[in-house]
Amino acid sequence: DVKVTQSSRYLVKRTGEKVFLECVQDMDHENMFWYRQDPGLGLRLIYFSYDVKMKEKGDIPEGYSVSREKKERFSLILESASTNQTSMYLCASSPGAPPKPQHFGDGTRLSIL
Amino acid sequence: QKEVEQDPGPLSVPEGAIVSLNCTYSNSAFQYFMWYRQYSRKGPELLMYTYSSGNKEDGRFTAQVDKSSKYISLFIRDSQPSDSATYLCAIPGTGNQFYFGTGTSLTVIP
Repeated sequence: DVKVTQSSRYLVKRTGEKVFLECVQDMDHENMFWYRQDPGLGLRLIYFSYDVKMKEKGDIPEGYSVSREKKERFSLILESASTNQTSMYLCASSPGAPPKPQHFGDGTRLSIL
Repeated sequence: QKEVEQDPGPLSVPEGAIVSLNCTYSNSAFQYFMWYRQYSRKGPELLMYTYSSGNKEDGRFTAQVDKSSKYISLFIRDSQPSDSATYLCAIPGTGNQFYFGTGTSLTVIP
């Protein structure tokens, strides 16, 4: 089974802090994604990566950056956390050839105080 | 217009009922259709994946695609309390872009 592991289930940070969310997948997938999920808004794509050191902006990249130094690991960085970034963050991965399904981690519920 | 629209619910049904969950999509070029199930405080998990028009069955679950109407449905027969979850439709677009519905929350009452 594909396993996508997110480093923290719950995280509480303060406004202005730099926040790192980590995601690791064990299936050698080329593609990795970061979404945020908010009630009534569904899943919104922040960034995705189709290869090591490659990244593409999604629909809502402002205030975020990403890093993919190794194939299995994709990090989401909140440069200066703000309260409107309080959300559920979901990481996903998929094999290289579309349109293969994405496999999700269990999410990090991030609260910015 | 959004690429994918989903009935928001919430939906509450008695145990044993047949459940119908629905999405519409805007681009007739879409060819693949997926349904994810998301339990509370968990990530979405793939439930059904279909390519063509018509029906695809997997146990108590049936995914139905009507490309002429750009309408997709998920039916759950003999619904169980363990089916209580949020269901999201998902459609791969161009490249690696996926379009997700906003999800329908389902509660099956024992």
